[in-house]
Amino acid sequence: QVQLQQSGPGLVKPSQTLSLTCAISGDSVSSNRAAWNWIRQSPSRGLEWLGRTYYRSKWYNDYAVSVKSRITINPDTSKNQFSLQLNSVTPEDTAVYYCARDQGEVATIGFDYWGQGSLVTVSS
Amino acid sequence: QSALTQPASVSGSPGQSITISCTGTSSDVGSYNLVSWYQQHPGKAPKLMIYEVSQRPSGVSNRFSGSKSGYTASLTISGLQAEDEADYYCSSYEAGGTVVFGGGTKLTVL
Repeated sequence: QVQLQQSGPGLVKPSQTLSLTCAISGDSVSSNRAAWNWIRQSPSRGLEWLGRTYYRSKWYNDYAVSVKSRITINPDTSKNQFSLQLNSVTPEDTAVYYCARDQGEVATIGFDYWGQGSLVTVSS
Repeated sequence: QSALTQPASVSGSPGQSITISCTGTSSDVGSYNLVSWYQQHPGKAPKLMIYEVSQRPSGVSNRFSGSKSGYTASLTISGLQAEDEADYYCSSYEAGGTVVFGGGTKLTVL
């Protein structure tokens, strides 16, 4: 059974960097048959896919256009986890952030396992 | 990356069937059979109900079914039950390797 456990601060100041980690059990971040995603949800923006990292003989990343200049998703193979960094945050980045697995080998077919969600508030 | 279009709300009585639509463009729903549907109860993470337009993950009731025609995908729930009351979201893979979600539909079981 795959489990995703999220961790990270719940309060970030404007202009600073939001950082979250998603620890994986029951699968591997280096799997050739999974992709590891970050998704957020807010009342104003609904569900918004942010990006993914995946390994297919080498590491790849895809990012949403809306955050592409500010986002980094990194795998950590030593700890079997992956992380999200979102720079220069504003109050509009306040949301519940989720990590999620997709089993598409190339394209995203569906997010079958989700983390518990982390409410991140951007406020001074 | 414009959001897919869903109705804000639908409702039905127990035992009835309802259908939720999800309309996209030639860059997403119209070009890929990679539409998925999620059920979300308040305070919970979304749950995958349908993937690749019409495939059900193990453990999901066969009362849930999906289809697609042109730029519009649909989720049908038959034999409505009180526990089906939730928010439902569609999503699609899109050109460029990204993913777009719908705005969500609130299902009320009367």
